[in-house]
Amino acid sequence: ETGVTQTPRHLVMGMTNKKSLKCEQHLGHNAMYWYKQSAKKPLELMFVYNFKEQTENNSVPSRFSPECPNSSHLFLHLHTLQPEDSALYLCASSQDRDIYYMNTEAFFGQGTRLTVV
Amino acid sequence: DAKTTQPPSMDCAEGRAANLPCNHSTISGNEYVYWYRQIHSQGPQYIIHGLKNNETNEMASLIITEDRKSSTLILPHATLRDTAVYYCIVRVEKKLTFGTGTRLTIIP
Repeated sequence: ETGVTQTPRHLVMGMTNKKSLKCEQHLGHNAMYWYKQSAKKPLELMFVYNFKEQTENNSVPSRFSPECPNSSHLFLHLHTLQPEDSALYLCASSQDRDIYYMNTEAFFGQGTRLTVV
Repeated sequence: DAKTTQPPSMDCAEGRAANLPCNHSTISGNEYVYWYRQIHSQGPQYIIHGLKNNETNEMASLIITEDRKSSTLILPHATLRDTAVYYCIVRVEKKLTFGTGTRLTIIP
């Protein structure tokens, strides 16, 4: 148990559906991250939020829409996804972005296994 | 673009020390070396990190060569639960960038 909770753990959705992934942490961290892990590929950083503000978007398609209402919660809204978007989506948090960038660990959730059919 | 090189896979007998090597020959003077592991279908778990001195915690030891171009993660008494993919990471443009890691299998 890392203190970062993701729901749901598994999700199957059609290409025309709209769904949301949720991430929650009560570690007192101010930075939160979305990563994508496709089969047999390294983890890819998607979005970075620091103190509720998005500070990075690594060329992620607009069908993925993040939301960070407060430092404890992070959402990833999904719409009109493609089968190639099927992957493990991981949320992580750290004390804050700048410390994370310099010298600290990140805490990861268990991930949401997404299948797009 | 990971800045580290790791063997794709390794086996280790249960109860023995597992030594996982990592090359990071282009590491800068102020960059830390991090190790994470990922057990199948779970999120990565932080293990240890270091700058230039050897480090030890309850999970593992990290040995960094004097020139800092390589390091070794040591799991002193490997158990079956240590079977995972181990990632050696040096920050790229201040970001944790995961490579493909080493798949460590602990053999009973």
